[in-house]
Amino acid sequence: GNSVTQMEGPVTLSEEAFLTINCTYTATGYPSLFWYVQYPGEGLQLLLKATKADDKGSNKGFEATYRKETTSFHLEKGSVQVSDSAVYFCALSDSGGSNYKLTFGKGTLLTVNP
Amino acid sequence: ETGVTQSPTHLIKTRGQQVTLRCSSQSGHNTVSWYQQALGQGPQFIFQYYREEENGRGNFPPRFSGLQFPNYSSELNVNALELDDSALYLCASSGGLGANVLTFGAGSRLTVL
Repeated sequence: GNSVTQMEGPVTLSEEAFLTINCTYTATGYPSLFWYVQYPGEGLQLLLKATKADDKGSNKGFEATYRKETTSFHLEKGSVQVSDSAVYFCALSDSGGSNYKLTFGKGTLLTVNP
Repeated sequence: ETGVTQSPTHLIKTRGQQVTLRCSSQSGHNTVSWYQQALGQGPQFIFQYYREEENGRGNFPPRFSGLQFPNYSSELNVNALELDDSALYLCASSGGLGANVLTFGAGSRLTVL
C-alpha cells in the first residue's frame, strides 16, 4: 500500500536558518504530493502541492520538488521565521479513482527560535 | 467564504459510550472526509462521503460510521468507545470527486477514559 516517511523531529532552528524536512514515499501509479502545516490548536492547512514528476510546489517561501526517480518531496525554505513554528506533514493521494484519500507521514515539529 | 467548522471542539467520554461529531463543509464543497489523528501521529483516513453515500473507507471497524446530509454537512459516529479512540478527529471538505485539495476543520478532540 501507499506510505509516506518523513524525517523525525523535533527540528529546532534559529531565525533566518535554512530548513529542509525530508519526505519519501511509496505508492503505485503517479500520486499527487502535498505538504500540510498544522499550527497549535488549528486544523491542517495546505502549504503546497505538486501533481506530476518534476513539478515544483511553492508558497510563502517554502518549496518542494516532486522527484519520481528518488520518490521524494523534500520541503525547503531559505530563511525561516519564528512564525513558521508548527508541525509539517507530507502527504500523497492516490492517482486514480473517485475516492480521494490522503496518506500522511507522522509529521515533523519545527520550532524556530528568535 | 466560510471554512470547515466542527463541533464540539473538546469532549470527554468513558469506555463503552457512544459519540457523535459534527462537521459543516466549506461553502460550495460537496464531499466530506473524516480523519483520525492520534497524538504524535499523522492523520489516518476513516471514510469519505459524496452525495450522502460512503465513497471509500480506511482501515476502521464498523463501529465507526457516518452520515452526510443534503446540505453536505456530516456526522461521525463512534459506538462502544475504546481508550484507543482518544484522538483529534478532523473533517475535511473538497469540491467533488477527484478534487485533490482538502480544506480541513480545526478538529474535535475526543478523550476516552
